[in-house]
Amino acid sequence: GQQVMQIPQYQHVQEGEDFTTYCNSSTTLSNIQWYKQRPGGHPVFLIQLVKSGEVKKQKRLTFQFGEAKKNSSLHITATQTTDVGTYFCAGRRDSSYKLIFGSGTRLLVRP
Amino acid sequence: DADVTQTPRNRITKTGKRIMLECSQTKGHDRMYWYRQDPGLGLQLIYYSFDVKDINKGEISDGYSVSRQAQAKFSLSLESAIPNQTALYFCATSEGRNTEAFFGQGTRLTVV
Repeated sequence: GQQVMQIPQYQHVQEGEDFTTYCNSSTTLSNIQWYKQRPGGHPVFLIQLVKSGEVKKQKRLTFQFGEAKKNSSLHITATQTTDVGTYFCAGRRDSSYKLIFGSGTRLLVRP
Repeated sequence: DADVTQTPRNRITKTGKRIMLECSQTKGHDRMYWYRQDPGLGLQLIYYSFDVKDINKGEISDGYSVSRQAQAKFSLSLESAIPNQTALYFCATSEGRNTEAFFGQGTRLTVV
């Protein structure tokens, strides 16, 4: 079945350092979404990527969708303590109803 | 008030007991989902519903059942709870197939 792998599982950075999480799918995706879950909270939608090679930015966050639409990344420039949380990618195949979540990357930021 | 509300927020139950988790939404979305979250495993889809008459199994439906009582209500039942069903459960809604999902606050279930 469709699998979405996400690495790293965990990253601890110094405030001001950059952070990247990677998402890889075993199958081609029609789109990919990214969510953030704060500690003790629920996943909150960040963005959706649809086009091959698409790049979107939200302030310090940069999201990319691979040319083959099988991988994606989220890069945070100059992390802040407010970036703490778990970041999930979630992908969907063209013909599928299911949004398959990656296992998430937990980000901790040292002040 | 939250757009997607789950009750209860926390529950401890004994092995073998039947338990129901409830979800209601005010977003007017047809699509509703139940996910389970375990540490390190992300979110796994249990069941989903595209309208009141449409119920579908997800990745891990064994041991669970659901009921879509109305467009706004989608409940998850554990007929006979077992300890490995201890997890954080999320209900979510979406407007369409390629739109974002809105999650409830979650229900932390412990089966002892």
